[in-house]
Amino acid sequence: GIQVEQSPPDLILQEGANSTLRCNFSDSVNNLQWFHQNPWGQLINLFYIPSGTKQNGRLSATTVATERYSLLYISSSQTTDSGVYFCAASYTGANSKLTFGKGITLSVRP
Amino acid sequence: EPEVTQTPSHQVTQMGQEVILRCVPISNHLYFYWYRQILGQKVEFLVSFYNNEISEKSEIFDDQFSVERPDGSNFTLKIRSTKLEDSAMYFCASSVHLADKTYEQYFGPGTRLTVT
Repeated sequence: GIQVEQSPPDLILQEGANSTLRCNFSDSVNNLQWFHQNPWGQLINLFYIPSGTKQNGRLSATTVATERYSLLYISSSQTTDSGVYFCAASYTGANSKLTFGKGITLSVRP
Repeated sequence: EPEVTQTPSHQVTQMGQEVILRCVPISNHLYFYWYRQILGQKVEFLVSFYNNEISEKSEIFDDQFSVERPDGSNFTLKIRSTKLEDSAMYFCASSVHLADKTYEQYFGPGTRLTVT
């Protein structure tokens, strides 16, 4: 199956700083998603990005499928950005289960 | 914006009891999933469901687990005889399925199951 590795495992930032979170995956995938898990445990969809670049406000993501990695960029970080960020990858159709990484714990300090 | 809903948000049960977790997927989605997350760990796949049958299941999804789509809107996960190690957050997800391709999975808010 797909292996998903995220780095770094923990990240501490000062408010206003920028950060890059990395996700490596082991195979050619059809689906790559980024999530933010909030303090209540909910998984918030950030990006569906099997390839290319997308931006949503202060967040952007890039997936280079041929090199099997994805990056999540957070600019001008805020304390509300704190939490765990997961990436997850899958094939499609009958094998469309998402395989999650272990997550990156981000702490943004005021 | 359409969303996946789950009930209850928190369920406390005694070891050995049966529990049913309920989900209402997004209405035009055809693929449905259950995942679980033990506290402090990563999210793990349990089962996927398509066209009224299980499409894929993990090693975790043993004979104690079952899924059902009892009507046109609900999707349920049943645990027949709960164990302490079943305590976890359970997430339901759904996705569109077109031309043999599945797309973005949308997750519900989760049900936190506590087995005592």
